[in-house]
Amino acid sequence: DAGVTQSPTHLIKTRGQQVTLRCSPKSGHDTVSWYQQALGQGPQFIFQYYEEEERQRGNFPDRFSGHQFPNYSSELNVNALLLGDSALYLCASSARRDKGNTEAFFGQGTRLTVV
Amino acid sequence: KNEVEQSPQNLTAQEGEFITINCSYSVGISALHWLQQHPGGGIVSLFMLSSGKKKHGRLIATINIQEKHSSLHITASHPRDSAVYICAVRSGGGSNYQLIWGAGTKLIIKP
Repeated sequence: DAGVTQSPTHLIKTRGQQVTLRCSPKSGHDTVSWYQQALGQGPQFIFQYYEEEERQRGNFPDRFSGHQFPNYSSELNVNALLLGDSALYLCASSARRDKGNTEAFFGQGTRLTVV
Repeated sequence: KNEVEQSPQNLTAQEGEFITINCSYSVGISALHWLQQHPGGGIVSLFMLSSGKKKHGRLIATINIQEKHSSLHITASHPRDSAVYICAVRSGGGSNYQLIWGAGTKLIIKP
């Protein structure tokens, strides 16, 4: 089991460009959450996907959008990149159960640098 | 005031020392995570707990729901334990949840 995998690991983009980050959840997991971690800060929740729908969203502008595919993998898209979008983007997966989700597992993250 | 507060922010100790990291929260939670983050950025989940105490090897996590407080202990600390330890609480009922994160505690264990 490869656990949660994210791609790419590092990415450099120019202001105004668009970026797509990818996440494959741990085998057996159906829920994917995305977090942004700026340098020296704790992660901030972006959104969570389950059954191909956005279920919860943090305080992020519409420039941040996502998608979940039938195989539970997910993409995070950021449009019109700003310098402040430079951060480590973390993906976490868990499995939905009747009494709540299982423990979350995290990917290694994608480090995005906007220049 | 942050919803999740960790202390201390930084901790340097000698190999073999007993380490305690504290986490206090002000929101209702369904569970609390202790996570470890190494300089490369990847996060490893150490514990998820909603009551009592859990132990895994040299790591022990406790939570007091009434006091809204949790502690992570490391016994016989080793330089490889050096990392940032993060407390995160699971907020939101049922399966639609989000994690609210503490700022982390940077731990350095010297040989």
